[in-house]
Amino acid sequence: GAGVSQSPSNKVTEKGKDVELRCDPISGHTALYWYRQSLGQGLEFLIYFQGNSAPDKSGLPSDRFSAERTGGSVSTLTIQRTQQEDSAVYLCASSFPGITDIQYFGAGTRLSVL
Amino acid sequence: GENVEQHPSTLSVQEGDSAVIKCTYSDSASNYFPWYKQELGKRPQLIIDIRSNVGEKKDQRIAVTLNKTAKHFSLHITETQPEDSAVYFCAAKSSASKIIFGSGTRLSIRP
Repeated sequence: GAGVSQSPSNKVTEKGKDVELRCDPISGHTALYWYRQSLGQGLEFLIYFQGNSAPDKSGLPSDRFSAERTGGSVSTLTIQRTQQEDSAVYLCASSFPGITDIQYFGAGTRLSVL
Repeated sequence: GENVEQHPSTLSVQEGDSAVIKCTYSDSASNYFPWYKQELGKRPQLIIDIRSNVGEKKDQRIAVTLNKTAKHFSLHITETQPEDSAVYFCAAKSSASKIIFGSGTRLSIRP
């Protein structure tokens, strides 16, 4: 594809429900990142996938958050038992480390937990 | 682990004046330093980047300088315009190839 694609663009859910957010990186990009951005705040790192290496999960805020990347391409971020404080924009980015290093961001998923 | 600190958190300058944002990093093996601009409601986008083998890079009104010894780098915007108003993020690529972002600077241009 032309860029990083995220779906859905908006998600409204009830407290306690599980949600899945999807990221389609740029074809061939080996690195994939998930970030969380609350209103007016910075980029909070969540998780980093690089090739076949074990993912860096050091930014996941709790065990309710998990992510996987299947076949080195599409990634899914899952939030279980959502809380109101999970409301934010979730951004995905991909890059090709060592070749271009430039991170390209998706448009994000705006999650609202009621 | 790698840490990137960014200052100031907010910056207001008169239109036409220059703006400078500064960042420091902790991993001496870092070799790539991008700057991203995020306009309100939009995704972050790369505006300029620099690698550790050069000390300065310029692209029209924006420039980035790198001091490897001191482990700091700066973004300079000259002749600021209203469309420069945005949040700017610096970043550094760690030895693990992971991009680490600073906390961001909200730049406002006063007319």
